[in-house]
Formats: sequence, C-alpha cells, structure tokens
Amino acid sequence: AAGVIQSPRHLIKEKRETATLKCYPIPRHDTVYWYQQGPGQDPQFLISFYEKMQSDKGSIPDRFSAQQFSDYHSELNMSSLELGDSALYFCASSFGLAGADTQYFGPGTRLTVL
Amino acid sequence: GQNIDQPTEMTATEGAIVQINCTYQTSGFNGLFWYQQHAGEAPTFLSYNVLDGLEEKGRFSSFLSRSKGYSYLLLKELQMKDSASYLCAYFDSNYQLIWGAGTKLIIKP
Repeated sequence: AAGVIQSPRHLIKEKRETATLKCYPIPRHDTVYWYQQGPGQDPQFLISFYEKMQSDKGSIPDRFSAQQFSDYHSELNMSSLELGDSALYFCASSFGLAGADTQYFGPGTRLTVL
Repeated sequence: GQNIDQPTEMTATEGAIVQINCTYQTSGFNGLFWYQQHAGEAPTFLSYNVLDGLEEKGRFSSFLSRSKGYSYLLLKELQMKDSASYLCAYFDSNYQLIWGAGTKLIIKP
C-alpha cells in the first residue's frame, strides 16, 4: 500500500541557510501534519493543513512557513536555520481533520544544521 | 509532552508480558493513541481508544479509562523486535495530537 513520502530523507545545511522539506500524503488523504522531533524528545506538533488551508498551528517558529498544494502535498520552508533546528521532521497524513483512520507517518527527514 | 506522563524506561524478558502505563490531564479529549517508534524511524500506529475498555489486537492490547485519565498498552509474548519506544498521545479538543515523551522498552533474552 502507498505510504506517506517525504523528501529528502537526509539534509545537511549550515546556519542561516534555508531548507525546504516535502511531504506527499497517502492518496485520498486530505490532511497533513508536520512534527519536529529532537534527539531523545517526543514529537512536537508544528502545523497542519486540511483541504489546502491551515487547520491548526503548534510550536512552529516564525522562521518556518508551510503550505499545502492543490495535489495535497505539503512543503515546510525553513529559513535562517539555527543549530537547534537539527531534528527529525515527520509528516503525517490522515483523511479528514479528526483522523478517523489516525495519522500515518512518513519516514521523516533528518535535518542537520552545522 | 504536556500533561501526559509515562515511564521513561522499562525492561522486560523475551516471552514475558509488559504493561506500559500512561496518564493524562486535559479538559478536551477525543481519543488516545499508542505508537511504536524504533530509533531514527517514524512512529507507527498501534492502537486508538476513544471509549473506555480494552481493545485487543494480536499480541498488543490497549486499555482506556476516561474518568481516570489513564491508559495502558499491554504487550504479550514479548519478542526482541519489540524493543522500541512506545509513545502515548491523545487528541485534544482541537484534534491536535498531544504526545507523551515515550517509554523506552528494553527486551532481554
């Protein structure tokens, strides 16, 4: 079965650079969630989109922005990267806001900021 | 995670049974999830409880008591591959997933 696809899987950037992470949800899923997970920490919710509109906002820094496109894929744009942004970034998708089928997670993008 | 607690680490023996507890405090609640996460990998869904009681799924069972703000994940016939972190999370009133810090389960032969 098709799963959530994230690209790239690994990314190395330097401080103050920008990065763009992409997420392709499971077909027919209309909701996308972004999470940040630092080493040894629980996932922190960043932002979510439902039907191409922002549905909820968590602890996303102002330096980050995200959007969901007409094909339901989503991109997380990160600017002025800081060392503390080094983390695993997970995208999850579900059908509908309540996630009746629950959220299915992608494999994650490991971002390293040097 | 906020208002959600689970033990940091547990150790169990291969073939045995282990129960991982999770307690939470929230004014809005729309169900509780358990996820398994191996190091460096994405969380994978294990169970979802929205009503009180026990849900059994193979070797794994999950229990919920909404009045007590309590859930547990029961793992039977433990296998070495069950060594992982187990994350408890609940949907708040806005259907935002609030995560616990996870319980690292170590399985010994």
